[in-house]
Amino acid sequence: KAGVTQTPRYLIKTRGQQVTLSCSPISGHRSVSWYQQTPGQGLQFLFEYFSETQRNKGNFPGRFSGRQFSNSRSEMNVSTLELGDSALYLCASAPEGFRDEQYFGPGTRLTVT
Amino acid sequence: QKEVEQDPGPLSVPEGAIVSLNCTYSNSAFQYFMWYRQYSRKGPELLMYTYSSGNKEDGRFTAQVDKSSKYISLFIRDSQPSDSATYLCAMTGWGNKLVFGAGTILRVKS
Repeated sequence: KAGVTQTPRYLIKTRGQQVTLSCSPISGHRSVSWYQQTPGQGLQFLFEYFSETQRNKGNFPGRFSGRQFSNSRSEMNVSTLELGDSALYLCASAPEGFRDEQYFGPGTRLTVT
Repeated sequence: QKEVEQDPGPLSVPEGAIVSLNCTYSNSAFQYFMWYRQYSRKGPELLMYTYSSGNKEDGRFTAQVDKSSKYISLFIRDSQPSDSATYLCAMTGWGNKLVFGAGTILRVKS
């Protein structure tokens, strides 16, 4: 079974721009979560989608948003990029979500200049 | 104070050693505990998942949970150079939001 895939793998953007990242979960998985990983803050939860609805949300500003499609694929959008948004963005999928094991993709490394 | 505390290391051990990685937590709502391994420039890989106090063994890995002390551990037996990575503990309550430790960098020397 194929794992979680994320595109693109690397991205360079300029401050003020916006970016969209994509995640395809493991086949059959309906829950998709997004995390931000930085050297200073570690791994932090952004939000979780299940059946096209946001089910949980972390403590990030409204510039960070996401959505999930009917095939469970998910996208994450960051508007008005700031230098501090430079990070590895990780997507994780789980069968149903609650108390399930989460499997991570390889991540998208975003650099904001 | 962070909800999950983990010694960042680095931890350096000789090949064949037993490695002990530890996390403490403060939130009593955490009921499900995981250990992930992350190689450089890769996503985290799930190693162990447990939800009850006690030990769970999988090959060379043993996860230990003590809910009364709010303390979890991962033991690696017969450590190999390929085990060199960052190890992350993670935990969650009834929702699906994982809270991670800062990660411990492990180096196994051949």
